[in-house]
Amino acid sequence: AQSVTQPDIHITVSEGASLELRCNYSYGATPYLFWYVQSPGQGLQLLLKYFSGDTLVQGIKGFEAEFKRSQSSFNLRKPSVHWSDAAEYFCAVGSTGGGNKLTFGTGTQLKVEL
Amino acid sequence: EAGVAQSPRYKIIEKRQSVAFWCNPISGHATLYWYQQILGQGPKLLIQFQNNGVVDDSQLPKDRFSAERLKGVDSTLKIQPAKLEDSAVYLCASSLRQGANMNTEAFFGQGTRLTVV
Repeated sequence: AQSVTQPDIHITVSEGASLELRCNYSYGATPYLFWYVQSPGQGLQLLLKYFSGDTLVQGIKGFEAEFKRSQSSFNLRKPSVHWSDAAEYFCAVGSTGGGNKLTFGTGTQLKVEL
Repeated sequence: EAGVAQSPRYKIIEKRQSVAFWCNPISGHATLYWYQQILGQGPKLLIQFQNNGVVDDSQLPKDRFSAERLKGVDSTLKIQPAKLEDSAVYLCASSLRQGANMNTEAFFGQGTRLTVV
C-alpha cells in the first residue's frame, strides 16, 4: 500500500530565509508525486507535480521539488520565503494503476516570522 | 473557469442526525472525488466516481455514509446517522479523467466543515 510521511509537523522560518519541507513516500513502482498547499478555510491548491523525466520540478509561487528515488523522497524547497507562504503543505503520492487516487501525508504547518 | 463548488461551507449537527453535502465539479471533469480531512491529518479518499459510476469506495463507511453522482455531474455525500468522529472537513475534487496517464490534476473545492456535537 502506498503511504507518505511528512516528518515535520510544524516549521517556523524567517521571511527571506530558505525553506525545505521533507516528504518520504512508500510505493511499489515509480510514483506520481504532488505537493499541495492549504490556506486556512481554503481547499487544496496544487504547487507542483512529478510524473516522470527531470527529477527537479518547478512549481508555482517560486517552489521547486526534487525527486530522489534512492531516498524515496520528494522534498519541497523555496529559496526565499514570503510571509504569504504561511499555510499547511501536503505531500501526496498518486496511484499509477489508474484511478488517480491520492494518498496524502499528515501535512506540515509553516509559520513565517516577519 | 469556475472552480469546484461545495455547499454548505459549515454545518453543525447533533450526533445521530443526518447531513448532506453537495458538490458541483468543474465543467467537463469526468472524475469526482470526496475526501475526508480530520483535524491534524491529511485528506483521506472516501469515494471516487468516473462519470456516474463508482471507481473506488473502499474507505467509505457504508453503514452510515452514502454518495451518489446522478447524471455524472453534481454529487451528494450523505451521513446518516452522524457520529462525533465524523467531525471533519469534507473536500470535493474533480479531474478531467481517470486513467494511467496521470497528466490530469485534481482541483479541490473549499470544503464543508462538519461539526458533530
